[in-house]
Amino acid sequence: AQSVTQPDIHITVSEGASLELRCNYSYGATPYLFWYVQSPGQGLQLLLKYFSGDTLVQGIKGFEAEFKRSQSSFNLRKPSVHWSDAAEYFCAVVNNDMRFGAGTRLTVKP
Amino acid sequence: DTGVSQDPRHKITKRGQNVTFRCDPISEHNRLYWYRQTLGQGPEFLTYFQNEAQLEKSRLLSDRFSAERPKGSFSTLEIQRTEQGDSAMYLCASSPGTGTLSSGNTIYFGEGSWLTVV
Repeated sequence: AQSVTQPDIHITVSEGASLELRCNYSYGATPYLFWYVQSPGQGLQLLLKYFSGDTLVQGIKGFEAEFKRSQSSFNLRKPSVHWSDAAEYFCAVVNNDMRFGAGTRLTVKP
Repeated sequence: DTGVSQDPRHKITKRGQNVTFRCDPISEHNRLYWYRQTLGQGPEFLTYFQNEAQLEKSRLLSDRFSAERPKGSFSTLEIQRTEQGDSAMYLCASSPGTGTLSSGNTIYFGEGSWLTVV
């Protein structure tokens, strides 16, 4: 069965520092992978998605993610974090429905 | 395009009461999904409609839960005889196209309906 693991429950970075959020998936075929961001009390906003092709995917707000089949990973990165990036980030994989990881909460220090 | 709309945004109810949430998907999106999200967790799939047909239901959707999409547009999710364990955010989402979700369409989420059962 498909599953998604986000190993880091909470990450704190300083504003301006780089960021990497980890996501590992378990899925037999080529997965469709997504990253969503959720601010407190709000719904989910799509950051980026991977279906096929170039394994480095660019998203909104300066985020990117790299699909690595050999590592079953789809880590999210941003070179310079802004205070407004503080939120909960969810990785998701699609089969017939979308399965989410438990999320990583990002705190940004001034 | 006004996005996925959910109503009410917040609901507090007493245990044992029934509640109903409404979702208006993005116009012309054929697929509509319901998810439940508890604090500190990712969203969990509940059910999925293709137009008016309910095609899949999670085992999380007990017999106290019922979802409808009578005309293939808006959808309702009703919870009967609410329990404290039902307290969560209920997210609705929609996507275009037909066939399975793995054909690559993006799901767009609403802002959710918070339920607190006291």
